[in-house]
Amino acid sequence: SQKIEQNSEALNIQEGKTATLTCNYTNYSPAYLQWYRQDPGRGPVFLLLIRENEKEKRKERLKVTFDTTLKQSLFHITASQPADSATYLCALVKRAGNNRKLIWGLGTSLAVNP
Amino acid sequence: KAGVTQTPRYLIKTRGQQVTLSCSPISGHRSVSWYQQTPGQGLQFLFEYFSETQRNKGNFPGRFSGRQFSNSRSEMNVSTLELGDSALYLCASSSGQGARATDTQYFGPGTRLTVL
Repeated sequence: SQKIEQNSEALNIQEGKTATLTCNYTNYSPAYLQWYRQDPGRGPVFLLLIRENEKEKRKERLKVTFDTTLKQSLFHITASQPADSATYLCALVKRAGNNRKLIWGLGTSLAVNP
Repeated sequence: KAGVTQTPRYLIKTRGQQVTLSCSPISGHRSVSWYQQTPGQGLQFLFEYFSETQRNKGNFPGRFSGRQFSNSRSEMNVSTLELGDSALYLCASSSGQGARATDTQYFGPGTRLTVL
């Protein structure tokens, strides 16, 4: 069955360091992959999208890589700040004709300590 | 543009009752998806509507139903509530147009449902 795995354990890092979150998938050939941020009690907020033919995408302090051979995406936050503390979700989009389906990971909790 | 709005924000019901949740998507968005989120299960897809038609459906029992109106507003209904239905229910809209659409989801704040 199709499966997405994100770091199940919370990630704790020191302010200023780079946070790296992982999203692995199996039995799946996604058209593209999205990363979202979710704060407690609120809906997820879209951050970045990377397509299957792209290796890397950047937006300010955020960087996403996509390795379709390893079936893995890495999400990096450089120069992390306490305000980056949140849960980060990855979602893969599978395309079947004109139909599309999102499959979500469970998320990784990130805590940036001052 | 105004974001996705959901009403009510909080709801307390008892087992056996039914509930209707409402979602207004971003103006111009025709696709609305509903999700259930619990601490242990993460985001679970319920269903997606596009132009008043259900386009995709998740693995939830028939007690969960939804609909979309001509103005793209959507409602979901849960009948015969069970304790396990307590969750954050999230609505998300996307433009959902054409094969090049990226399905970026714009989420509302959610409705926190507690079943006693």
